[in-house]
Amino acid sequence: QSVLTQPPSASGTPGQRVTISCSGSSSNIGSNTVNWFQQLPGMAPKLLIYSNNQRPSGVPDRFSGSKSGTSASLAISGLQSEDEADYYCAAWDDSLNGWVFGGGTKLTVL
Amino acid sequence: EVQLVESGGGLEQPGGSLRLSCAASGFTFSSYSMNWVRQAPGKGLEWVSYISSSSSSVYYVDSVKGRFTISRDNAKNSLYLQMNSLRAEDTAVYYCARGSIRGASLFDYWGQGTLVTVSS
Repeated sequence: QSVLTQPPSASGTPGQRVTISCSGSSSNIGSNTVNWFQQLPGMAPKLLIYSNNQRPSGVPDRFSGSKSGTSASLAISGLQSEDEADYYCAAWDDSLNGWVFGGGTKLTVL
Repeated sequence: EVQLVESGGGLEQPGGSLRLSCAASGFTFSSYSMNWVRQAPGKGLEWVSYISSSSSSVYYVDSVKGRFTISRDNAKNSLYLQMNSLRAEDTAVYYCARGSIRGASLFDYWGQGTLVTVSS
């Protein structure tokens, strides 16, 4: 059972917009910033979004992040087949004194 | 180019020990905090440990406290994870990931991972 809760799966067709939610608590998302990661099959994770809504250089602007209260969301617009991957949220937890990850969401492009 | 290369994984019996290493290059290693993150087969990501740039602050996930020790050698641009009293549930790919110069870790660069298998 992960501290951050994500839906196990999501799907969309090419060109669609999909969102992935990440629910936490006051000790993690409620008081700290959220990062999002993409993990392609057999690969190491890649940073997609940091500080709730900031994109590292090289990440397409199709990817966006937001946070409200104790929840965060990752939105992917103009869905492409290469977006098929696992997506994880993460945040520091003040009570646990450590980073916590969501359980991951497997995105399928239909 | 930032590179992180892990090594030291392998097959170890329950109760045994392993030492993982992460060789860093392409950035000023001594300025950055670092993390270890693991992923059990077919499972999600789990943060394991954090170390500040000067080694003054270290943190661990509860499940490894007292068994794992994170350390670094800034002169050798290397990060380590000493893993003792290994359990079957420690079986995972272990990644090192760059933290940040200040503030919250970004995990902006990851190594390719090293597989640790704990089994008799």
